[in-house]
Amino acid sequence: GDSVTQMEGPVTLSEEAFLTINCTYTATGYPSLFWYVQYPGEGLQLLLKATKADDKGSNKGFEATYRKETTSFHLEKGSVQVSDSAVYFCALSSSAGANSKLTFGKGITLSVRP
Amino acid sequence: EAGVAQSPRYKIIEKRQSVAFWCNPISGHATLYWYQQILGQGPKLLIQFQNNGVVDDSQLPKDRFSAERLKGVDSTLKIQPAKLEDSAVYLCASSLALGGSPLHFGNGTRLTVT
Repeated sequence: GDSVTQMEGPVTLSEEAFLTINCTYTATGYPSLFWYVQYPGEGLQLLLKATKADDKGSNKGFEATYRKETTSFHLEKGSVQVSDSAVYFCALSSSAGANSKLTFGKGITLSVRP
Repeated sequence: EAGVAQSPRYKIIEKRQSVAFWCNPISGHATLYWYQQILGQGPKLLIQFQNNGVVDDSQLPKDRFSAERLKGVDSTLKIQPAKLEDSAVYLCASSLALGGSPLHFGNGTRLTVT
């Protein structure tokens, strides 16, 4: 079945540091890939997505590239801010049709200190 | 636009009691999802509705969990009787349609079973 594996956390960085959060997946066919973010006290929000191989999703300075050859979708940001402190979830959707449910990874907590 | 509304925000019950959660999706969103998020894990899909019909309930523990979306708008999720392992955050999400539309999540209901 479909699965998403995220690197173990938590991650603590200083402000302006470079961020990489690893995500690999197992799926049949050609899934769409997503990063969701959950800020403290808030619901999950879509951060970015990519729907086919070599696509790059980007938003709020975050980027992730759909790598089919390595089945990966790593999240990167060049310079993190304190306001980026949140829980980040990698997810996939392997069906574009009648059953487009999301399969999530475990999530990783990012803390950015001033 | 108004987001996905969920209530209650928190609920504490004893094992073997019953509990119900309510969700009001974004206006016009045909697809509604209930996810269970156990502490330290990613959200897991329990049930997916398209209008008032069930698309996927393969991971819903049907001996104790039930859900309905009678008029294709609001939805309720019920647990009867609750077990200790049901302690989790229950997330409701909605999307405009099937097939790759982004999911919009509510803030969730945190259930503690003692």
